[in-house]
Amino acid sequence: DTGVSQNPRHKITKRGQNVTFRCDPISEHNRLYWYRQTLGQGPEFLTYFQNEAQLEKSRLLSDRFSAERPKGSFSTLEIQRTEQGDSAMYLCASSLSGVNYEQYFGPGTRLTVT
Amino acid sequence: AQSVTQLGSHVSVSEGALVLLRCNYSSSVPPYLFWYVQYPNQGLQLLLKYTTGATLVKGINGFEAEFKKSETSFHLTKPSAHMSDAAEYFCAVFDLGNQGGKLIFGQGTELSVKP
Repeated sequence: DTGVSQNPRHKITKRGQNVTFRCDPISEHNRLYWYRQTLGQGPEFLTYFQNEAQLEKSRLLSDRFSAERPKGSFSTLEIQRTEQGDSAMYLCASSLSGVNYEQYFGPGTRLTVT
Repeated sequence: AQSVTQLGSHVSVSEGALVLLRCNYSSSVPPYLFWYVQYPNQGLQLLLKYTTGATLVKGINGFEAEFKKSETSFHLTKPSAHMSDAAEYFCAVFDLGNQGGKLIFGQGTELSVKP
């Protein structure tokens, strides 16, 4: 399978704990995006990378959130001191720059903060 | 700023009936528009896209959409619904922004198909 993969698929954590999610994009894609989706809503943009450079961050990305893409391949999204409001599906997508802007999504990581 | 509005959070049709899911966009530049489908507990799958050229675009699973600039619409249709079409559908516009862009999604429309 050469699609976008995300791990873990599900994460249950207690409020105040730190969590980290991983995304592996389609291998030749140089752009990688993170979105958050809450129940009954469309995905909302969090941040994106072109190669290893983080080019844009949403206002939704508070200082408790940090994302990295150290070698321009996989990416991690870390949430520190989780809150119940962080419970959501975290989606990763990848694309090739300049090619019709199509983004290919992974299956997502569902986070539940208790 | 670009935005998308999907009219109707829930649409129910009978199997074999026409599917029509409505999407209106707001954009200050010529838009790139997308429809994605999401099955329960899964990621999003691209159904079809409009970038430039022909305004009627065909996608996977028999879906198509027509870009109408005068109406700022990009409605999704399928002539005959199948039970397997039951899912959440999202319309999105690509926001180029300052650094190359992101997708702006609508709230989604849940499609139910009755036997």
